[in-house]
Formats: sequence, structure tokens, C-alpha cells
Amino acid sequence: ETGVTQSPTHLIKTRGQQVTLRCSSQSGHNTVSWYQQALGQGPQFIFQYYREEENGRGNFPPRFSGLQFPNYSSELNVNALELDDSALYLCASSLDGTGFSDTQYFGPGTRLTVL
Amino acid sequence: KNEVEQSPQNLTAQEGEFITINCSYSVGISALHWLQQHPGGGIVSLFMLSSGKKKHGRLIATINIQEKHSSLHITASHPRDSAVYICAVLSTGNQFYFGTGTSLTVIP
Repeated sequence: ETGVTQSPTHLIKTRGQQVTLRCSSQSGHNTVSWYQQALGQGPQFIFQYYREEENGRGNFPPRFSGLQFPNYSSELNVNALELDDSALYLCASSLDGTGFSDTQYFGPGTRLTVL
Repeated sequence: KNEVEQSPQNLTAQEGEFITINCSYSVGISALHWLQQHPGGGIVSLFMLSSGKKKHGRLIATINIQEKHSSLHITASHPRDSAVYICAVLSTGNQFYFGTGTSLTVIP
């Protein structure tokens, strides 16, 4: 049990729709990262937030956006959903620091299916 | 070409065997992580290394920065070790790269 929760557990959307996924970090963790994991693949880094500011971004288009709130919760928003967006979305929080230089605590993930 | 390559992709072992999973990377790194992912998706961070060796219980992780290679060893393997093991690196360019994972099955 990492103390990081995500909601919802599963979600089904249709192409073109918008989705918001939520993550609640461990209290005191100022950094949250979001990852996309397609079936049978390793995770891919989407972006990272540190103290409510975007702190780094992977190779994802602008329709993937995020927010981090002062209460250690965060959101991943995806607009104009495409079939290839079907994946497990993972968030991970860490105590502090930038990048991946601190131990990350992963949530259980949200399984998104786009039809 | 992937920046992080793992081998083997799949591994089946008998309970009690010594297991080694390898990770090679092609970028300069600040840190390397070994992660464990169980069926259903939950990921646990096992180790974070930037040099040398770390040990936690039956797990040992080593890294050779010059050779751009890391290994994860499991001694006295147990069926509960069955999971996907993922190697991930933070590059000096502040990008994160993940391997595709090694699926381990330990048979009683």
C-alpha cells in the first residue's frame, strides 16, 4: 500500500470524447508524475508536476494536460480521445526533488478504454 | 530503437532458483530504477541507484555506469516474486525512459 490512490479504476469512453483522471498523492509529496502504459509495453512518461507547476514533459501532444492542486491531488485531462489512448494510466508521487531522482510511489492505475 | 533494453523478456524459474534480470541503456543517466508490477497494474519501486549496489531482503540491484548496464538479482526465488520487473532511467537530459519489462513466473 503506497498511499497513492487513483480514480476511477476503469473507464470506457468513445473516440472524440474528453476524460479526466484523478490521483491523490501521499501527504507531503510535492511531485507527481503521470505515465501511460499500453498493453504489453513499459510505461511512457507523460509529464511531471512539482508544486503545481509542470516540471517536465514527455513526447505527448498538447491534448494531454494536467493540473496539480495544493491538497496533493492532481488530474490528467485528455481531449479528443483516440483509439490509441486506450491504456493504463499511472500516477506516481515523490517527496520532493525534480525528475526521477527520488523514490516514486505508484498508484494502482486507471484503465481507460476508448471505443 | 529503445533507449532501455531488458533481457530476458520472459523468464520461468523453479522455486528456490537464483534469478538475474538485465537492463542495458544507451543514454547518460542520473538515476536508474527497478520497478515491480503485479497483475492488475500496481507498481512498486524496488530500488533507485546511481552507482554500485543495493540490497533489500532477497533482492540485489547492481549498476555499472561505464558499461551502461544494471542487473536485478533475486535469491531463493518464491512464487510470490512472480511479476513483471521494469527497468527505468532518468537521463541527464531529464527524460524518463522505461524498458518493456521482464515477465517472471516462479513455479512451486
